[in-house]
Amino acid sequence: QVQLQESGPGLVKPSGTLSLTCAVSGGSISSSNWWSWVRQPPGKGLEWIGEIYHSGNTNYNPSLKSRVTMSVDKSNNHFSLKLSSVTAADTAVYYCARKTLATGGNAFDIWGQGTLVTVSS
Amino acid sequence: QSALTQPGSVSGSPGQSITISCTGTSSDVGSYNLVSWYQQHPGKAPKLMIYEGSKRPSGVSNRFSGSKSGNTASLTISGLQAEDEADYYCCSYAGFSTWVFGGGTKLTVL
Repeated sequence: QVQLQESGPGLVKPSGTLSLTCAVSGGSISSSNWWSWVRQPPGKGLEWIGEIYHSGNTNYNPSLKSRVTMSVDKSNNHFSLKLSSVTAADTAVYYCARKTLATGGNAFDIWGQGTLVTVSS
Repeated sequence: QSALTQPGSVSGSPGQSITISCTGTSSDVGSYNLVSWYQQHPGKAPKLMIYEGSKRPSGVSNRFSGSKSGNTASLTISGLQAEDEADYYCCSYAGFSTWVFGGGTKLTVL
C-alpha cells in the first residue's frame, strides 16, 4: 500500500522560500501516477498547487505558477515543492497526494497526513 | 480559475439523505465529467469518496453517490450516520491540465 509523508520546515520567514518533500513508500515514484501538492489555510478550503510526473513534466495552478517549482528525485523516491516569495497568505497545511490510473488519473486517491507551514518573522 | 461554489453547511438527521451541490462553469464542471468528492474529518487528510462524477473507489460505502447536471455536480449521502459528519469538498478538472476545488461544505448530523 502506497503511503506519502511530507517533511520540511514548519516556519518560513516572509519573502523566503518554502521547501517541502514528500516521501513515497510502498511503491515507486516512477509508476504511472501524477504526484500533487494541495494546501489548506487554517479554517479554509483546499487549493490545488500543482503536480509532477516522474518524467519531470509539471502542471501548476495559474495563480501560483510564477512562484512554484516542483521536482522529482527518483533515486530517493520522493518529490518536492518550492514556493518562493512567501507571505502570511501562504500559511497553510500542505498535503502531497497521488493521482493514479486506477481512478482514471482524475482524482487524488492517496494523501499524506499534511504538514503545517507558518510564514512569520 | 475560481473556486467551485458549495453551500457552507448542510445538516440532516440519522437515516435521512442529504445532497451537497458543487457549482462551476462551462469551463470546468460543465465541460468534463471529472468531478471528484472528498471527505475530511477535523485534523485529518481528505479521503476520496467519488471520482469521475459517480464512481466509488473500493471500500467506499454505496451510501455515497455522485451526479451532474449542467454546471452543477452533486454528492448525495443516503442513510446518514454519525460518522458522516465532516467537511466535504468537490474538485473538477478545469482545462489546460489544471484542477480546482470547491470551498467546502460542513455536514452536521443532528
